[in-house]
Amino acid sequence: DAGVIQSPRHEVTEMGQEVTLRCKPISGHNSLFWYRQTMMRGLELLIYFNNNVPIDDSGMPEDRFSAKMPNASFSTLKIQPSEPRDSAVYFCATGDGDRDTQYFGPGTRLTVL
Amino acid sequence: DQQVKQNSPSLSVQEGRISILNCDYTNSMFDYFLWYKKYPAEGPTFLISISSIKDKNEDGRFTVFLNKSAKHLSLHIVPSQPGDSAVYFCAASDDYKLSFGAGTTVTVRA
Repeated sequence: DAGVIQSPRHEVTEMGQEVTLRCKPISGHNSLFWYRQTMMRGLELLIYFNNNVPIDDSGMPEDRFSAKMPNASFSTLKIQPSEPRDSAVYFCATGDGDRDTQYFGPGTRLTVL
Repeated sequence: DQQVKQNSPSLSVQEGRISILNCDYTNSMFDYFLWYKKYPAEGPTFLISISSIKDKNEDGRFTVFLNKSAKHLSLHIVPSQPGDSAVYFCAASDDYKLSFGAGTTVTVRA
């Protein structure tokens, strides 16, 4: 199994631009999580999907952030417009219902200039 | 509010010796605890977990201890190996939601 796949691995963009991060979960996993890691706040949950349905988006910082999961094989996290304070590493993680164990992708390092 | 705290940002240990990482939590609703290991430029990798109904779980060189009354858990790595040099995150679960500590950077010296 290839594990959780995220793309791109690195993204550098200018303030005001739209950014789209992508995640392909492990096949058969029905839970998907988007996290953001920063020096100041550590790892924080942004949004949680179960069976492609958003269950908890209370961690999404503001309306500039949106996430979708159109099918069991794909999810996106979009930031529009991006701001320098959005610079962070964004992780996608998935779970197979084995209690709460989550399996993380390699992350996307986003830099907004 | 940090519900999961790892008060030691770093730990240096000699190869072959024991590494002990500590974690404290404040939310009594947490009922499942996990440790993750992270190498630079990679995502966190699940290492070991423990349910709140247990006080110890062992997997090879890794043992996690849970003291519910003290709201404290620890990870023991014996013996420590150079490949164990990484950042270790403690996480606690309330239903599906994982709350993470800030991490402890472990350096294993040859």
